Amino acid sequence: AQSVAQPEDQVNVAEGNPLTVKCTYSVSGNPYLFWYVQYPNRGLQFLLKYITGDNLVKGSYGFEAEFNKSQTSFHLKKPSALVSDSALYFCAVRDHTGGFKTIFGAGTRLFVKA
Amino acid sequence: GAVVSQHPSWVICKSGTSVKIECRSLDFQATTMFWYRQFPKQSLMLMATSNEGSKATYEQGVEKDKFLINHASLTLSTLTVTSAHPEDSSFYICSAPAYNEQFFGPGTRLTVL
Repeated sequence: AQSVAQPEDQVNVAEGNPLTVKCTYSVSGNPYLFWYVQYPNRGLQFLLKYITGDNLVKGSYGFEAEFNKSQTSFHLKKPSALVSDSALYFCAVRDHTGGFKTIFGAGTRLFVKA
Repeated sequence: GAVVSQHPSWVICKSGTSVKIECRSLDFQATTMFWYRQFPKQSLMLMATSNEGSKATYEQGVEKDKFLINHASLTLSTLTVTSAHPEDSSFYICSAPAYNEQFFGPGTRLTVL
């Protein structure tokens, strides 16, 4: 069974500092990995994805994520956090056997303090 | 990009009534749509996969008679919460695949009094 784990319920960072939101995964076969962001009472917005290719994936709003196969991790990063980055972040893995069924991690709430 | 809409964005109903939530793909066709449920401060839980022209596929533990799903056309899927109770209060989100990605609706907040 496929699963993702986000070990941190909350991450606090000061504006201008780098941020990391952690994600580890467990899949059979090659993983399709995603990061989404959710603002209060809103749907999910796509940030980035890893399907194949370069381990460092660049996405929207200056975010990037590094795929590490040996550590089965896909951590989300940003060099300089903004207060407006404060939101709920979800790591997800998608079924790559032909469907689009997506399994989400528990979510990590990011607080960026001015 | 592809746009998915949901209607209504929020609904309040009395216990025992039924509520219908619509999910539409506005600029693309979707033979498959997904319905998720999100509790406060928690992750999205996949409820079911809606299939155009056939029965929905429900995840384990989801009551199919409670949460009726109809995929009436290639652009519309509906979720009906039947005989709603306060414990059904939640944020319901749909999604549809397009261009090898998932696009999510803005969500519907259901409050059952």
